[in-house]
Amino acid sequence: KNEVEQSPQNLTAQEGEFITINCSYSVGISALHWLQQHPGGGIVSLFMLSSGKKKHGRLIATINIQEKHSSLHITASHPRDSAVYICAVRSPNSGYALNFGKGTSLLVTP
Amino acid sequence: EAGVAQSPRYKIIEKRQSVAFWCNPISGHATLYWYQQILGQGPKLLIQFQNNGVVDDSQLPKDRFSAERLKGVDSTLKIQPAKLEDSAVYLCASSLRTRETQYFGPGTRLLVL
Repeated sequence: KNEVEQSPQNLTAQEGEFITINCSYSVGISALHWLQQHPGGGIVSLFMLSSGKKKHGRLIATINIQEKHSSLHITASHPRDSAVYICAVRSPNSGYALNFGKGTSLLVTP
Repeated sequence: EAGVAQSPRYKIIEKRQSVAFWCNPISGHATLYWYQQILGQGPKLLIQFQNNGVVDDSQLPKDRFSAERLKGVDSTLKIQPAKLEDSAVYLCASSLRTRETQYFGPGTRLLVL
């Protein structure tokens, strides 16, 4: 069983909708990352969280350390938000390595 | 600021052949990572360098994979001999220091026939 589970696996939304992607993990962590991967492979780091909430533009990331859960929210979604969103955690048990989820594939239609 | 550069972008080889990938990290970044991403999966760390030293290579199949970062700047990842299951995207990333934000290159898409 992967230490990092994401849901949903696939998500289709209409432009303007509010989107939530969830990430659950089973180990103690020192940090959680949300990344965006566009077709063609390029990965961009969106957030690095160890507690609370961060906001950047229309993106909001939250983390609940006690519940071992994080969410990525996209407000007023746009077709250019279509991408794979990946959650990754850094655990003291795994040294410096990031442990990645399988990703959530998001398609936003006009 | 230039990003992480990787080459080639695509490579098709037959099984049992050898292949090498190159990565040039962002200038000044001490930490360099090689990841393997199989279709439908998240990236898996193969090896992490701190300058020219290996920090973590626990998931590198050392019977066929090797990597080096001799001068602590650019790095090469080699597969010899390749197997069908090595078909994947190989991603290189760098960070200023360990445990800081990682910046990813565009990846090399490998197809082994």
